Amino acid sequence: DQQVKQNSPSLSVQEGRISILNCDYTNSMFDYFLWYKKYPAEGPTFLISISSIKDKNEDGRFTVFLNKSAKHLSLHIVPSQPGDSAVYFCAAIEGSNYKLTFGKGTLLTVNP
Amino acid sequence: DGGITQSPKYLFRKEGQNVTLSCEQNLNHDAMYWYRQDPGQGLRLIYYSQIVNDFQKGDIAEGYSVSREKKESFPLTVTSAQKNPTAFYLCASSATGWEFGYTFGSGTRLTVV
Repeated sequence: DQQVKQNSPSLSVQEGRISILNCDYTNSMFDYFLWYKKYPAEGPTFLISISSIKDKNEDGRFTVFLNKSAKHLSLHIVPSQPGDSAVYFCAAIEGSNYKLTFGKGTLLTVNP
Repeated sequence: DGGITQSPKYLFRKEGQNVTLSCEQNLNHDAMYWYRQDPGQGLRLIYYSQIVNDFQKGDIAEGYSVSREKKESFPLTVTSAQKNPTAFYLCASSATGWEFGYTFGSGTRLTVV
């Protein structure tokens, strides 16, 4: 049973436009949500996180929005750059649990 | 420089053989994890350890074993009982405080030949 779902396996956008990656979850006990970026044959690197008590967190070109009532979060990248092309994983954690639960990832392609 | 080191980067194994993947961290993190990545499957948790000499099964522990004798090290053994071992294996570690999640190693690609 998937607790974190990324329903779009891939997304393609033009350079300079906005990329919006979506993530849904089912476990209401999740305390933190994180986004990771991954290139092929490399480990994921942390991008941005948000606590369940917030609805928005911003870091440069990256903004994460959390809608707790809908159990939905999204990552916005503005403006998108070709170097942003990678697989993006949404992940969630219960604070007392130590375990990160990942979605299946979304492949973002930013076209020049 | 602190980080997580996984070795080797690429590993080939004959069917029926056990193989051990190395993971070392110098971040002074208490918790360590092993994940497996398959195409279209995302990252699935194999084993994790919150403290030395203790570890728990994750979602797909069958056919794998681990040990945690030192804080810095969390080796993963892929046994011959693992039916489909060819995959990309990722080790991670974490400290308390979840703002930054895990720190991942660069991974080991295991291929059974």
